[in-house]
Amino acid sequence: QLQLQESGPGLVKPSETLSLTCTVSGGSISSSSYYWGWIRQPPGKGLEWIGSIYYSGSTYYNPSLKSRVTISVDTSKNQFSLKLSSVTAADTAVYYCARLMITIFGVVIINNWFDPWGQGTLVTVSS
Amino acid sequence: QSALTQPASVSGSPGQSITISCTGTSSDVGSYNLVSWYQQHPGKAPKLMIYEVSKRPSGVSNRFSGSKSGNTASLTISGLQAEDEADYYCCSYAGSSTSVFGGGTKLTVL
Repeated sequence: QLQLQESGPGLVKPSETLSLTCTVSGGSISSSSYYWGWIRQPPGKGLEWIGSIYYSGSTYYNPSLKSRVTISVDTSKNQFSLKLSSVTAADTAVYYCARLMITIFGVVIINNWFDPWGQGTLVTVSS
Repeated sequence: QSALTQPASVSGSPGQSITISCTGTSSDVGSYNLVSWYQQHPGKAPKLMIYEVSKRPSGVSNRFSGSKSGNTASLTISGLQAEDEADYYCCSYAGSSTSVFGGGTKLTVL
């Protein structure tokens, strides 16, 4: 059974960089059928897609966060990571990683559903 | 890329049916049959309930069903049970390899 687990600091100072890692177990991150995504949820608010990555390193980002986000993958460790720079209090959220089912039409990647999800990790931005 | 629009809350009595709407635009919901729905209990991670508008993953009760008309997708839960009380989120493909979520709907079972 595929499982995902987020890890990283729970407290980040304003203007610094948030760094999280998602470890995939029970399956390979190098599957051709999936991307791997990050989603966040501010306290009491809805879900926001941050971005996704393929095992080859191909990435797609939410346009609203693109200038501050970097997602990378380490296939040798079956992990992918998120870096969000210049954080503010507005970036305080529970951050989830999830497997993203995709369909490939030629060179176009079509996002489908997210499943399974990690348990999530709360990151608070505060001095 | 704007969030999909969902009602903030819906409610129903045990045994009844409820429907949650998810309204997008011709750039997301209206253009693709790639709407998924997630159930989230307090303090828990979201769980996939419906994908590709109306398909149910293995293990999800057939009391959950999905549909779409134009720019609006819907999730219907029939035979409401106390355990269905949760937050529900829709998600759609939005083109250019991006995804967009709805703002979420809190379902209360009276």
